Amino acid sequence: TQLLEQSPQFLSIQEGENLTVYCNSSSVFSSLQWYRQEPGEGPVLLVTVVTGGEVKKLKRLTFQFGDARKDSSLHITAAQPGDTGLYLCAGARTGTASKLTFGTGTRLQVTL
Amino acid sequence: DVKVTQSSRYLVKRTGEKVFLECVQDMDHENMFWYRQDPGLGLRLIYFSYDVKMKEKGDIPEGYSVSREKKERFSLILESASTNQTSMYLCASRKKVLRGDYEQYFGPGTRLTVT
Repeated sequence: TQLLEQSPQFLSIQEGENLTVYCNSSSVFSSLQWYRQEPGEGPVLLVTVVTGGEVKKLKRLTFQFGDARKDSSLHITAAQPGDTGLYLCAGARTGTASKLTFGTGTRLQVTL
Repeated sequence: DVKVTQSSRYLVKRTGEKVFLECVQDMDHENMFWYRQDPGLGLRLIYFSYDVKMKEKGDIPEGYSVSREKKERFSLILESASTNQTSMYLCASRKKVLRGDYEQYFGPGTRLTVT
């Protein structure tokens, strides 16, 4: 059973467009992270959100943690080709020995 | 910078072979992890280790074992490789979790093909 579902699974857009990626679960998480993975590399942490309703901005990327701490979204404004990659959300749950549960992933391609 | 290295980027093995995947980190991290990554399934945890000589099963440990004899090195062993173990294998390390800091640092991955 996949605890974290991401949508969409694939996204192909043109440079300058906006997009939103969703990460949903029926479980409550104590914190949630977003990673980006480029081809041939391991995932790299973008942000961690820990409070329900929290919003964090990283340049053109906006991350939100749901009020109930069961879901999160990543919004990219004016996408650029450098945003291309696999985006993964990962949640930490209390009582699971600090293990992370990773989402199914969203593969984003931004073309000129 | 934290550096996590994996012994091979690409590996091709035959069914039934014993396979060793090595991971080394240089930041004195206590925690280390092995994941496999398959399209549409995200990252699934195989095994993790809180510290030297400690290991815990993850979500999909069947067919795998691990060894952590030194703090910087975490090895994944496929006792008898099978075709359904063809996958991308990612190693990660993390300092001991304090105040909710769960950031993991990943290696570049080993793409294993079992024929």
